[in-house]
Amino acid sequence: DAGVTQSPTHLIKTRGQQVTLRCSPKSGHDTVSWYQQALGQGPQFIFQYYEEEERQRGNFPDRFSGHQFPNYSSELNVNALLLGDSALYLCASSSGTANEQFFGPGTRLTVL
Amino acid sequence: AQSVTQLDSQVPVFEEAPVELRCNYSSSVSVYLFWYVQYPNQGLQLLLKYLSGSTLVESINGFEAEFNKSQTSFHLRKPSVHISDTAEYFCAVRPLRGSSNTGKLIFGQGTTLQVKP
Repeated sequence: DAGVTQSPTHLIKTRGQQVTLRCSPKSGHDTVSWYQQALGQGPQFIFQYYEEEERQRGNFPDRFSGHQFPNYSSELNVNALLLGDSALYLCASSSGTANEQFFGPGTRLTVL
Repeated sequence: AQSVTQLDSQVPVFEEAPVELRCNYSSSVSVYLFWYVQYPNQGLQLLLKYLSGSTLVESINGFEAEFNKSQTSFHLRKPSVHISDTAEYFCAVRPLRGSSNTGKLIFGQGTTLQVKP
């Protein structure tokens, strides 16, 4: 049983560009959450998707958007990249009836 | 709103010594509590969780944590650490179902456990 997978592993972009990160949840999970982890910090909640809709959102600007597909996989899009967007982006999946979130290995985004 | 404070940013300890990583939280509603571990260049792995019942919870690799409601703490302990326990440890809370913030985890800043030979 594959766990949560994310792609790509690493990504380098320049300021002003746009980026798309991808996440496939653990088998049987229908909920996907995205977190941003800056260097030396704890993860910060970006948003959560359930039934292809954004269910909850953290304190992130509209430049951060997402999508969930019918197979429960998800994308995180960031527009107009800033240097401060450099971070490890973590995807976590869970089942609607469970409390535990399972994390993927993350995508390391570097903005130059 | 909820917040989590991990009182130590770094904890150096010698191999086979005991260790305690401290975590305090603030919340206006009841919460679930979690400890996650992050090894270098990896994602987060759940170490243990408190949802209800006994306030002392244990993991399969010797860690334990005790929920103290009056002190709003959830400290992580291990009686004898190994070199392989060197990692970043994160305490997190999640509001109970029924409140408006049921989806997200709120993390502390993390504690780096450095086990020395």
